[in-house]
Amino acid sequence: GAVVSQHPSWVICKSGTSVKIECRSLDFQATTMFWYRQFPKQSLMLMATSNEGSKATYEQGVEKDKFLINHASLTLSTLTVTSAHPEDSSFYICSAREYRSYGYTFGSGTRLTVV
Amino acid sequence: GENVEQHPSTLSVQEGDSAVIKCTYSDSASNYFPWYKQELGKRPQLIIDIRSNVGEKKDQRIAVTLNKTAKHFSLHITETQPEDSAVYFCAASRDTDKLIFGTGTRLQVFP
Repeated sequence: GAVVSQHPSWVICKSGTSVKIECRSLDFQATTMFWYRQFPKQSLMLMATSNEGSKATYEQGVEKDKFLINHASLTLSTLTVTSAHPEDSSFYICSAREYRSYGYTFGSGTRLTVV
Repeated sequence: GENVEQHPSTLSVQEGDSAVIKCTYSDSASNYFPWYKQELGKRPQLIIDIRSNVGEKKDQRIAVTLNKTAKHFSLHITETQPEDSAVYFCAASRDTDKLIFGTGTRLQVFP
């Protein structure tokens, strides 16, 4: 079946630094990528939607200059958390969808800890 | 935008009993309703889904019902087992647009 590889699975960074998270679709073309954030014991909150070759659409309240999303190819999307702060510590997970497909394939998630 | 409410937030049942989780959605144009099971630190796993052109779908011990008029859908788990213990999320989307998740239900099945 469809597989999305997400890296890193966990990362610890210092406050003020940037962290890049990658999601790769291994056996299909991810025309759309969704990025979610999940705080402990909470739901998955949609951060942004990106279509290959286009600028990402951010949900209300999500800072686009802080969470940079790149979806330059049909198999790779990246989320960069810039100038990370402790409150950005969370579980970040991507979800890819193939054109005209109802399936959503999730990455394995990245646990970000900012110290 | 779409808003999905989910109840209850926690549910404890005895092994062998049934569990029911309910969700309501706000966007009447939503037409795809999946249910996910998530274990701690893992990705959500699709357990069953339903599209708006059917009212019920069943897969062994799991069933989902959809009431489009009332804009709510439910997950039914029969003959629960300890390994069913996890957090369950409902979700809704319009066509193949963004998936909006409910608030989650922590299910505990006691032996």
